Amino acid sequence: LAKTTQPISMDSYEGQEVNITCSHNNIATNDYITWYQQFPSQGPRFIIQGYKTKVTNEVASLFIPADRKSSTLSLPRVSLSDTAVYYCLVVSWTEGGYNKLIFGAGTRLAVHP
Amino acid sequence: GAGVSQSPSNKVTEKGKDVELRCDPISGHTALYWYRQSLGQGLEFLIYFQGNSAPDKSGLPSDRFSAERTGGSVSTLTIQRTQQEDSAVYLCASSFADRGLPETQYFGPGTRLLVL
Repeated sequence: LAKTTQPISMDSYEGQEVNITCSHNNIATNDYITWYQQFPSQGPRFIIQGYKTKVTNEVASLFIPADRKSSTLSLPRVSLSDTAVYYCLVVSWTEGGYNKLIFGAGTRLAVHP
Repeated sequence: GAGVSQSPSNKVTEKGKDVELRCDPISGHTALYWYRQSLGQGLEFLIYFQGNSAPDKSGLPSDRFSAERTGGSVSTLTIQRTQQEDSAVYLCASSFADRGLPETQYFGPGTRLLVL
């Protein structure tokens, strides 16, 4: 399973765009990149998933370069409520056809007024 | 249901006692996962259910840990003879397995277990 590396923490201010970059040098051909968000005392929540190029939804954008060895989660105009831990995961299919999520330490994002 | 629910939300027990943690997945979700999150640590996979069977139990830390799922719905994680190192947040997730794409896992709020 591909290991991911992302910054331990980041700080930002309300209204700014935040970009969190994750490296996954050993990503396999069939792997997807997925980001989850976790607030204190809650379970993780799916944000976005992609395979290559750019994916955008109502919450975030995900940029994946052609070599797929890294990805960048972009949060537009963050607010205080975006303060959370963000996990980058490389999701592989197991032989059994299911996904065993491997979480790293994540990036602790603090948004300041 | 509206989301994954877990009970109890908090559990304090004494070392050596058995505990049962319950997970109610989203209705219709065939896949169910248990994870554990220790203080300041990331989440670690414990076990995966597809229907009532558990094809992957590789993450269970010891034979004191067991889990079952009945009716393709509710799951119970049991920890026997609890130890202090079992203290953690136990999270359950469910998904509607779709082999077309890696499925989104929906997590419950977790059960916070404290072993004294």
